[in-house]
Amino acid sequence: DTGVSQDPRHKITKRGQNVTFRCDPISEHNRLYWYRQTLGQGPEFLTYFQNEAQLEKSRLLSDRFSAERPKGSFSTLEIQRTEQGDSAMYLCASSFGAGGNYGYTFGSGTRLTVV
Amino acid sequence: GENVEQHPSTLSVQEGDSAVIKCTYSDSASNYFPWYKQELGKGPQLIIDIRSNVGEKKDQRIAVTLNKTAKHFSLHITETQPEDSAVYFCAAPINTDKLIFGTGTRLQVFP
Repeated sequence: DTGVSQDPRHKITKRGQNVTFRCDPISEHNRLYWYRQTLGQGPEFLTYFQNEAQLEKSRLLSDRFSAERPKGSFSTLEIQRTEQGDSAMYLCASSFGAGGNYGYTFGSGTRLTVV
Repeated sequence: GENVEQHPSTLSVQEGDSAVIKCTYSDSASNYFPWYKQELGKGPQLIIDIRSNVGEKKDQRIAVTLNKTAKHFSLHITETQPEDSAVYFCAAPINTDKLIFGTGTRLQVFP
């Protein structure tokens, strides 16, 4: 297994454009998490899935953000009408079972820059 | 809600010295405490974790201690090396579903 993969690694977009990120978790892991990390801060929880079900969304996740995990495997995170404040590293993580009991394996992240 | 405080925010040590990073948490029901290391341009990597039924865990030069009464846990790195330079994050669970992270400690090890 190659671990958690995220694509793209970097994305530069103009304000107002839509962007979509992809995450491929470790294949045996049933839980998938999205976090956002800004410079000098720890990862902030956005949302998580158990298999294909989205179980929780943070209040940080505005209506412009949507995440899917259609077949319980890979996941996508879409940001519509991007704003400069969306510039951050978007991290995906997966776990076998509850992440709060077993910890996560993170991907390398997608760095988004909104200009 | 659950809160994790981490300090110091930066730590500089000479190669060979020890480094200690401390975290406090607020939810007394928390029972799993991982530490992550993040190198530049990479995602956080789990380096060690501890469960509430033990007070200390070691893995070579890294150790974690837990004081459940005081609700704090610490990362200890002995005989530091330049490759230990990175940002370290502690974390604690919320309802076992997910982790909340501290704000990070930037460790610099000078040769």
